[in-house]
Amino acid sequence: DVKVTQSSRYLVKRTGEKVFLECVQDMDHENMFWYRQDPGLGLRLIYFSYDVKMKEKGDIPEGYSVSREKKERFSLILESASTNQTSMYLCAHTDVILAGDRDTGELFFGEGSRLTVL
Amino acid sequence: QKEVEQNSGPLSVPEGAIASLNCTYSDRVSQSFFWYRQYSGKSPELIMSIYSNGDKEDGRFTAQLNKASQYVSLLIRDSQPSDSATDLCAASGGYNKLIFGAGTRLAVHP
Repeated sequence: DVKVTQSSRYLVKRTGEKVFLECVQDMDHENMFWYRQDPGLGLRLIYFSYDVKMKEKGDIPEGYSVSREKKERFSLILESASTNQTSMYLCAHTDVILAGDRDTGELFFGEGSRLTVL
Repeated sequence: QKEVEQNSGPLSVPEGAIASLNCTYSDRVSQSFFWYRQYSGKSPELIMSIYSNGDKEDGRFTAQLNKASQYVSLLIRDSQPSDSATDLCAASGGYNKLIFGAGTRLAVHP
């Protein structure tokens, strides 16, 4: 079975704190993603990585950074958490490039980390 | 216009009926489309993908793509209470990006 592990299911942090969300996959996939999911807005891409030490901004990177030191691990960092970053954060991975006409588009998602910033 | 738009629902259908979910997209996405299902408190899982105009069938599910009208739909035959979930439409949005709609909540009642 595909397994994606996110470090924490529920977190409560205070405004201004630094927050680390970790994601580990055991499928040896090159591509990893961080999304946030908010009611009425769907999933929005924050950052993605297609290789170790490589990263690309998604649609809403402001206020976030990422780290990929090992292939299996992709971390999302909130340098100074704010209340508008309260959300569900979902990590995902795939072994295909999601741009071709023939890819399956299958992302494997973790269970999510629900972050509340007070 | 959002890149991928869906009616949030809820779409309520009786057990055994056909559920029809629709999704429209803008010119800013490419021509690969996907349907994901997300149960409450769970993460999304791929149902099926479609790239070409027309219909694609997989068991009780049929995806339909109409590029001229820029919509993609999902038909679920013989709907079951276990189909009660949020179904997400997604499209390729450039290199290594999937753009998701907000999802349609489907409720199948006995």
